[in-house]
Amino acid sequence: EVLLVESGGGVVRPGGSLRLSCAASGFNFEDYGLSWVRQVPGKGLEWVSGFNWNGRSTGYAASVKGRFIMSRDNAKKSLYLQMNSLRAEDTALYHCARVRLLVWGSTALDALDIWGQGTMVTVSS
Amino acid sequence: DIQMTQSPSSLSASVGDRVTITCRASQGISSYLIWYQQKPGKAPKVLIYAASALQSGVPSRFSGSGSGTHFTLTIDSLQSEDFATYFCQQSYSLPRTFGQGTKVEV
Repeated sequence: EVLLVESGGGVVRPGGSLRLSCAASGFNFEDYGLSWVRQVPGKGLEWVSGFNWNGRSTGYAASVKGRFIMSRDNAKKSLYLQMNSLRAEDTALYHCARVRLLVWGSTALDALDIWGQGTMVTVSS
Repeated sequence: DIQMTQSPSSLSASVGDRVTITCRASQGISSYLIWYQQKPGKAPKVLIYAASALQSGVPSRFSGSGSGTHFTLTIDSLQSEDFATYFCQQSYSLPRTFGQGTKVEV
């Protein structure tokens, strides 16, 4: 079974740091890109950071650029998100998701096909 | 960054209705558009990719169209299991971005 399991969430004060982890199983980890997506409960999805389908390009949302750093360890089949200078507006459920290449005719694009259940981050004083 | 704008943010519908949701991109994204469905407490699921391709296992009452900056998701003959929130996402450039979602409710 293909699984992504996040951990590392918790309560942190504004300005603090937190490191999230995502452990993968059931697929060849190094062959896929991965992303972090967050969601305030009951609200919309916000793409935070991620690799493209082949893992050669990375990006960050403007709201986290310069504060969050994503990394991966293929040997441990794990994805990480180092979150620094946390703000109240970073409070959300953080999901990791697998990036899969999908092809339709001449269009090849990547989509998030497998998601973890998420780990909750609360930034509060 | 590319901004994705969905409308409406919510809609009321009944079983058997035809429902249309719109997604607009702030710049042209060709057909690099994905539609997801999310039910409460569940992870999002890919419905449509490349603007109009039906993901394997998704019922044929779902369809997508559009290219460039204007896209639509249509659900023909809405079923009870379709009451959910729908998101569009561009896969044209990094950072990827989502629309704010459309909640389809009774």
